[in-house]
Amino acid sequence: DGGITQSPKYLFRKEGQNVTLSCEQNLNHDAMYWYRQDPGQGLRLIYYSQIVNDFQKGDIAEGYSVSREKKESFPLTVTSAQKNPTAFYLCASSLVTSGAYEQYFGPGTRLTVT
Amino acid sequence: GDSVTQMEGPVTLSEEAFLTINCTYTATGYPSLFWYVQYPGEGLQLLLKATKADDKGSNKGFEATYRKETTSFHLEKGSVQVSDSAVYFCAISGSARQLTFGSGTQLTVLP
Repeated sequence: DGGITQSPKYLFRKEGQNVTLSCEQNLNHDAMYWYRQDPGQGLRLIYYSQIVNDFQKGDIAEGYSVSREKKESFPLTVTSAQKNPTAFYLCASSLVTSGAYEQYFGPGTRLTVT
Repeated sequence: GDSVTQMEGPVTLSEEAFLTINCTYTATGYPSLFWYVQYPGEGLQLLLKATKADDKGSNKGFEATYRKETTSFHLEKGSVQVSDSAVYFCAISGSARQLTFGSGTQLTVLP
């Protein structure tokens, strides 16, 4: 089955530590995205990448970093510079050439930093 | 830039009631329109979409029609079930080739 996997589903870290969230897709999609969702809120775009080895900042990139070394993978690092990292993180992918640009989402990773 | 205004929730309905969740948008050109659904603790699932004016997207009894004249894409279902309880997001894909999401509407259906 094609899809997007995110691991782990729950992640706990101490304040001051960097943490990397995994996102893998086998849909052969060109573009990948990271969103942050806070309780009762909508989605905010952190970073996106439309091709390998290239990525752009979204609306809330400060305190986060990404890499896109392979088409299938788009890991997100939450650095210690992120002031309020506790949130639900969603990865998505889409076909750049699809026209409609609908995105398909992974199951999410809930990060708790104490 | 593009924006989406979505009916604020929460919305609470009895089983078999009629559902409408309003969504209006602002965008240049001819965006594609989407409804996503999020069940508790999960990611978003694409529920339906429409890519041009007067298109009707439908899935699982839900429908929405692309109304360019009113820049709207309201979600409707004739008879909701308890299993429809979730958060619903309206989204548009505009000139920037990105999705712009509404703030989400929490729906609770009571038996």
